[in-house]
Amino acid sequence: EDQVTQSPEALRLQEGESSSLNCSYTVSGLRGLFWYRQDPGKGPEFLFTLYSAGEEKEKERLKATLTKKESFLHITAPKPEDSATYLCAVQSLDSNYQLIWGAGTKLIIKP
Amino acid sequence: EPEVTQTPSHQVTQMGQEVILRCVPISNHLYFYWYRQILGQKVEFLVSFYNNEISEKSEIFDDQFSVERPDGSNFTLKIRSTKLEDSAMYFCASGPRTSGPETQYFGPGTRLLVL
Repeated sequence: EDQVTQSPEALRLQEGESSSLNCSYTVSGLRGLFWYRQDPGKGPEFLFTLYSAGEEKEKERLKATLTKKESFLHITAPKPEDSATYLCAVQSLDSNYQLIWGAGTKLIIKP
Repeated sequence: EPEVTQTPSHQVTQMGQEVILRCVPISNHLYFYWYRQILGQKVEFLVSFYNNEISEKSEIFDDQFSVERPDGSNFTLKIRSTKLEDSAMYFCASGPRTSGPETQYFGPGTRLLVL
């Protein structure tokens, strides 16, 4: 069964304190892995698409990486406005493009 | 920048009533999706739709649910007889479909509360 697990569930950092969020996945064949940001009461906001092991994508203070078993979202020198829940999702080659989601990591950046 | 829009933002209904949630996908996208998120839980896939047909649906998407593209811009989710457990955020998404991974873009959601 396709599965996505994110850790930690929650992470509190001081402003400027870099860290990484983990997304481990089990799929029969990976079509793509996606990172989204979700603010409270809002829809998921697209951040990155990865599909090949070794791939990296960057956007401002965020960098996403992918291996054959997991993905990391690295946050460098975060600011309070980076506070949100970060969601990881995968598309399996066996499913018709539906996204399978992790439970998310709630990130709080304290000023 | 094009975006997915959803109406209403909030809907309160009585158990057993019918509700219709509306979405306007990004204009040049052809693949449409509904997902839901019960408070404090993971996002769950409901259904995907292409060319006026359901292409995939989950076990959640039973006979009380239906989807429709009534015109060239709107995409709707109908829940025929709402239950308490249908209370959730419902998200519409659309995607451009490529041969590789498809990035899906989400609307702001409709918060449905069934009393």
